[in-house]
Amino acid sequence: GAVVSQHPSRVICKSGTSVKIECRSLDFQATTMFWYRQFPKKSLMLMATSNEGSKATYEQGVEKDKFLINHASLTLSTLTVTSAHPEDSSFYICSARKDPNEKLFFGSGTQLSVL
Amino acid sequence: QKEVEQNSGPLSVPEGAIASLNCTYSDRGSQSFFWYRQYSGKSPELIMFIYSNGDKEDGRFTAQLNKASQYVSLLIRDSQPSDSATYLCAVNSGYSTLTFGKGTMLLVSP
Repeated sequence: GAVVSQHPSRVICKSGTSVKIECRSLDFQATTMFWYRQFPKKSLMLMATSNEGSKATYEQGVEKDKFLINHASLTLSTLTVTSAHPEDSSFYICSARKDPNEKLFFGSGTQLSVL
Repeated sequence: QKEVEQNSGPLSVPEGAIASLNCTYSDRGSQSFFWYRQYSGKSPELIMFIYSNGDKEDGRFTAQLNKASQYVSLLIRDSQPSDSATYLCAVNSGYSTLTFGKGTMLLVSP
């Protein structure tokens, strides 16, 4: 089946630094990638929808200047958490699909801890 | 606002029993329905998807969809302790993204 690779799996950083998370579709071209955030014992919360070659669409309440998303190719999207603060500590998950209504495949997630 | 509702659980069943997980959704235009399993600290993995009314079976899993009642369920036969996880229901209303429920925790006791 389709594979989505996400790196790093875990990152610890100091407050004020920036962290980049990569999401790659390994065996298919992902026209759309999604970025989610999940707090402990909570469901996935969509942060933004990323279409290759265009600006990401952010969900209400998500700061686009803080969470920078780049989808430069059909197989790679990146999420950069800028000037991270402890409240940004969360589990970040990307997902990708080839076409609308297609199954969604998830990356393995990134646990971000901001000290 | 599109909503997907699930009982948070935990749902406790003994090993070998049938686990029944339920989900309701608010958007009548929803077209496809997914069940994901998520182990603690891990990313969700797709278990089943269903587009048409009725039942869809895959091994020990059966997804049931009733669009008139806006209800989708997942049955797990011969439940195993390794099935203990949180099960997320997700609904796709066409070209929009998936809307996830909060998940139901399933505990299968040996």
